[in-house]
Amino acid sequence: EVQLVESGGGLVQPGRSLKLSCAASGFTFSNYGMHWIRQAPTKGLEWVASISPSGGSTYYRDSVKGRFTISRDNAKSTLYLQMDSLRSEDTATYYCATGVAHWFAYWGQGTLVTVSS
Amino acid sequence: DIQMTQSPASLSASLEEIVTITCQASQDIGNWLAWYQQKPGKSPQLLIYGATSLADGVPSRFSGSRSGTQYSLKISRLQVEDIGIYYCLQAYSAPYTFGAGTKLELK
Repeated sequence: EVQLVESGGGLVQPGRSLKLSCAASGFTFSNYGMHWIRQAPTKGLEWVASISPSGGSTYYRDSVKGRFTISRDNAKSTLYLQMDSLRSEDTATYYCATGVAHWFAYWGQGTLVTVSS
Repeated sequence: DIQMTQSPASLSASLEEIVTITCQASQDIGNWLAWYQQKPGKSPQLLIYGATSLADGVPSRFSGSRSGTQYSLKISRLQVEDIGIYYCLQAYSAPYTFGAGTKLELK
């Protein structure tokens, strides 16, 4: 059974950093692209970033480019999202997801990031 | 960026009723369209991928269709457990974009 478990969320001040993790199990992690998707409170879904199976290719939405870094450790079956220079508009539940192609077939339970002074 | 215009924003329907939700893509995305259901406090669940393919474990009352750049999700006989928010997703090119969502309620 595919399992994705996010961690690392919390309350952080504007301008500070936070690193999210997503521990994967139940599938061959190194064979699949991985993604971060977020959802602001009471709002819709927003794709944030993706990384290829090898980690050699990464993709970001414009609003996080230069501030967020997606990475992975295939030996540890873990996905990361380093978030720097956080803004209030980054407040959201962050989900990691995976699946064949860009179908986000499997999702974690999410971790809440709150950016506030 | 590809825009996904989803309608309606909210929908009230009776049990056993047929429900249809649509998404209009701002450009050709082929069959790179998925549908998700999200229940309160839960993660989204994949229902349909490739515009028309049913995801594993999804009841057959759910179906997807495509006409050009317009995509539809149909629930043939609404059940209580179908209540939630539905989103479409274009997976054709980054930035991958979701529709704004359709809140489905029981009448």
